[in-house]
Amino acid sequence: GAVVSQHPSRVICKSGTSVKIECRSLDFQATTMFWYRQFPKKSLMLMATSNEGSKATYEQGVEKDKFLINHASLTLSTLTVTSAHPEDSSFYICSARDKTTSLMRAFGSGTRLTVV
Amino acid sequence: KNEVEQSPQNLTAQEGEFITINCSYSVGISALHWLQQHPGGGIVSLFMLSSGKKKHGRLIATINIQEKHSSLHITASHPRDSAVYICAANTGNQFYFGTGTSLTVIP
Repeated sequence: GAVVSQHPSRVICKSGTSVKIECRSLDFQATTMFWYRQFPKKSLMLMATSNEGSKATYEQGVEKDKFLINHASLTLSTLTVTSAHPEDSSFYICSARDKTTSLMRAFGSGTRLTVV
Repeated sequence: KNEVEQSPQNLTAQEGEFITINCSYSVGISALHWLQQHPGGGIVSLFMLSSGKKKHGRLIATINIQEKHSSLHITASHPRDSAVYICAANTGNQFYFGTGTSLTVIP
């Protein structure tokens, strides 16, 4: 089955620093990558959608200058949390849409970010 | 009102019990997904359905398009089935996620 590799799985960083999260599709081409944030015991909240080679589309209320998304190839997308603050501490997860089967989605294993 | 509603929110079962989790949705879908999220957070896609029924091992997923309802069944439940199960409605352009059902299977 389709596999998305996400890393790091956990990261602790100091306030003011930046953190990069990577998602790679291992055995398929991801036309579109979706980035989600999940608060404890809550549903996944879509942050942004990125298509390979294009600028990401951000959901209302998500700061594009704070959450930088790059989708430079069909197998790699990155989310960079810039100038991290403790309120950015959360669980971030990516989901890739297959180029050949647009309904199929594969999810990354998630990244637990803690900003101290 | 959420586009996807799941029930129950929490479920505790004895090992070996038959489990049913329900999902109702209000949007037009291209597919309905059942996902499993383990305590570590990673999400595994269990099923993608657009009609009828699918079976994989002890897991069965059904969908009734007319009633906009889907169910996930687990037969002969096991403690390793303990996880959060999430229903997601795929409209083709968007995913709408349910808030999940937290399942605990006790030995």
